[in-house]
Amino acid sequence: GAVVSQHPSRVICKSGTSVKIECRSLDFQATTMFWYRQFPKQSLMLMATSNEGSKATYEQGVEKDKFLINHASLTLSTLTVTSAHPEDSSFYICSARGAPGLAGIDEQFFGPGTRLTVL
Amino acid sequence: RKEVEQDPGPFNVPEGATVAFNCTYSNSASQSFFWYRQDCRKEPKLLMSVYSSGNEDGRFTAQLNRASQYISLLIRDSKLSDSATYLCVVNPSNTGKLIFGQGTTLQVKP
Repeated sequence: GAVVSQHPSRVICKSGTSVKIECRSLDFQATTMFWYRQFPKQSLMLMATSNEGSKATYEQGVEKDKFLINHASLTLSTLTVTSAHPEDSSFYICSARGAPGLAGIDEQFFGPGTRLTVL
Repeated sequence: RKEVEQDPGPFNVPEGATVAFNCTYSNSASQSFFWYRQDCRKEPKLLMSVYSSGNEDGRFTAQLNRASQYISLLIRDSKLSDSATYLCVVNPSNTGKLIFGQGTTLQVKP
């Protein structure tokens, strides 16, 4: 299957700082990328959908000014958690969907996740 | 009501046992359905898609009942390596947005 990477895999930061997480599709062009968040013992919750070259679409309850998403190329999307607070500590996972026919319109490939801890 | 509901478990079974997980979804217009497996502190990985006719992959069998909005996963001859959380996932439209259930935790013991 296709490979998606995330960087960093783990980050610990002080409250009030901003943290940028990168999501890359390594061997295919991702027309759409999705950002999820997972709190302990809970399931993945979709935060936003990111299409290359356009503004991200945020799910209800997700602050777009706090979670900045940029999808500047077909292989890279970034999520920036601005002014992070302890309640933002979570496991952030991206997924990428290629063009139909490459991976199938339904198939998404997940990155390994980024564990954010805000002190 | 949650869009995708699962019994969180945990299910504790001995090696070799057969175990079944169930899942219900609320959006009757949902397009496609999946089972993902997630190991502790890792990303989810696609286990199998679920088709109306039912499908089997080795020891794993998935069933979909659209009328009842119900999905199941059967694991036969459980292995220790099957221990994980199994996520029922629904694609309610063709936008690619996936809705994840809470997950069912399986612990297979020797």
